[in-house]
Amino acid sequence: GQNIDQPTEMTATEGAIVQINCTYQTSGFNGLFWYQQHAGEAPTFLSYNVLDGLEEKGRFSSFLSRSKGYSYLLLKELQMKDSASYLCAVIRGYQKVTFGTGTKLQVIP
Amino acid sequence: DADVTQTPRNRITKTGKRIMLECSQTKGHDRMYWYRQDPGLGLRLIYYSFDVKDINKGEISDGYSVSRQAQAKFSLSLESAIPNQTALYFCATSASGTDSYEQYFGPGTRLTVT
Repeated sequence: GQNIDQPTEMTATEGAIVQINCTYQTSGFNGLFWYQQHAGEAPTFLSYNVLDGLEEKGRFSSFLSRSKGYSYLLLKELQMKDSASYLCAVIRGYQKVTFGTGTKLQVIP
Repeated sequence: DADVTQTPRNRITKTGKRIMLECSQTKGHDRMYWYRQDPGLGLRLIYYSFDVKDINKGEISDGYSVSRQAQAKFSLSLESAIPNQTALYFCATSASGTDSYEQYFGPGTRLTVT
């Protein structure tokens, strides 16, 4: 089986930096996704990590440590439109994806 | 035009009724998935298909069935709807033979069973 843990809610200030953590326990690890989901909308892809280290893409970066079963999503220069849920998802085996319950981020002025 | 479409977008039905949710994609992907999303439980995989003749159960397949009529179409059926199947349902697609495994989601179908 597998378990994915992320904080339920976070609040951060516009212009600041926020780090959303995800820990997982799984067998057959094959990669980790981060998705963004605005309320009532479809999830949209943010990043994919398969090797250890930091992947940077504009204001968003994602980090993975396979030995620790740990990932984080870093959002810089927060904007109000970044208020959304952020879903951590683990790929196990042959494209079998399991999602965490998501972290609801509220950006305040 | 959207690459992954779902119909209907909203549906209210009564307990015991049979209902079908449809998904179509123009991305040319061979892999398709059905998820449901409930508050506090995240996205959970119902069924997935890696090709037209391939159907696999996900973690919560009981009470559901699927049909992959063509590479571009993947339908989800609730044979006899019950209230705890009230949820937001998403279809997703992905391509084989890539390194990213990225899934592309449809806009969702909000289903209410009364």
